Amino acid sequence: GEDVEQSLFLSVREGDSSVINCTYTDSSSTYLYWYKQEPGAGLQLLTYIFSNMDMKQDQRLTVLLNKKDKHLSLRIADTQTGDSAIYFCAESLSSGSARQLTFGSGTQLTVLP
Amino acid sequence: GAVVSQHPSWVICKSGTSVKIECRSLDFQATTMFWYRQFPKQSLMLMATSNEGSKATYEQGVEKDKFLINHASLTLSTLTVTSAHPEDSSFYICSANFRDRGRWEQYFGPGTRLTVT
Repeated sequence: GEDVEQSLFLSVREGDSSVINCTYTDSSSTYLYWYKQEPGAGLQLLTYIFSNMDMKQDQRLTVLLNKKDKHLSLRIADTQTGDSAIYFCAESLSSGSARQLTFGSGTQLTVLP
Repeated sequence: GAVVSQHPSWVICKSGTSVKIECRSLDFQATTMFWYRQFPKQSLMLMATSNEGSKATYEQGVEKDKFLINHASLTLSTLTVTSAHPEDSSFYICSANFRDRGRWEQYFGPGTRLTVT
């Protein structure tokens, strides 16, 4: 079945890079996503990567995908205090409208001054 | 574009009462919406898929008589928690499907905090 795992906590100092890791089990995944959730709020889509890509960069965000190991990572360059939040990775088996997302447990990122 | 709202943002109710939560797509039409439940410091658990004009599809273990879902229009889905109990206290999040540049995406509402006393 589908299973997505993440480490629960990560602390970094302001200005450093953050790397949040995620592993998934379903090799049929076609899209993998990163969402950000601030306290008491819904989810904000940060970025996504299609399964035939290895890397995607969007400003301070870099997504790396190792499909062989089913490993996904999100790197945030020059981490700021406003980046403190919970980050969820999620997989989807297709881009079809009725397909559901399977979320990881979320990684709490704390940015220290 | 692709903004999803929820109302109310938080609600406190007494045990035994029913509470309705609304999910609206503000600037697009959504034939499919999803309802999630999130416990503190945990991930999102999909409760049901709401399809406009038809019955919702519930995930295993979710009581359809307790969590009533109505998707009466292309911009509105409602979740009614009937005969609420303290264990129903949670953060409820909806999302709506939106076709963005040929690919379907889910856009999430801001969530509704339900506290049952």
